Amino acid sequence: RKEVEQDPGPFNVPEGATVAFNCTYSNSASQSFFWYRQDCRKEPKLLMSVYSSGNEDGRFTAQLNRASQYISLLIRDSKLSDSATYLCVVNAGKSTFGDGTTLTVKP
Amino acid sequence: EAQVTQNPRYLITVTGKKLTVTCSQNMNHEYMSWYRQDPGLGLRQIYYSMNVEVTDKGDVPEGYKVSRKEKRNFPLILESPSPNQTSLYFCASSSISPTGTGEQYFGPGTRLTVT
Repeated sequence: RKEVEQDPGPFNVPEGATVAFNCTYSNSASQSFFWYRQDCRKEPKLLMSVYSSGNEDGRFTAQLNRASQYISLLIRDSKLSDSATYLCVVNAGKSTFGDGTTLTVKP
Repeated sequence: EAQVTQNPRYLITVTGKKLTVTCSQNMNHEYMSWYRQDPGLGLRQIYYSMNVEVTDKGDVPEGYKVSRKEKRNFPLILESPSPNQTSLYFCASSSISPTGTGEQYFGPGTRLTVT
């Protein structure tokens, strides 16, 4: 079993849709959690940090559930520009990335 | 401007010819890391460093070496490259807080082809 597992995707949604990604992790000692966005083989860039209390940034909401060991990302009112691969990252000393979930938002 | 730089950006080489990919950051970050990204396999960590002279293996360290003699630099060394090391490589850096590693800033990537 992988240390970090993401929804396999791909997700193809119309503009305006709400889409949710989940990511589970196996190391209970994990300390910090993030969602990154990666466009077409460019470098990943931070989308959001994930806190136990949950955090929201505009149309994006991230949640952490330590008891069940998963993190989630919710995107509301999807835009064409949201099309990308979304990576969850779990840090416990070393960093472990999920394989990524590809989102395509269509007109 | 805060950034992570990698060189070269593109490299085609032959099996067995030693090479070094440089990585440098100007943010005074303690943590630096190397990843490789292959289709269908996601980003996999090769080596990481929590501070100067402190390095640890990631998930796929075989065939690679690193050093951390200065805080800003973290070169990746392939002593004898093989075709299975053909990949897209990213360097990243981050600060460290009591809650762990923070946001990682990535370099632009190095596309390596070993023939």
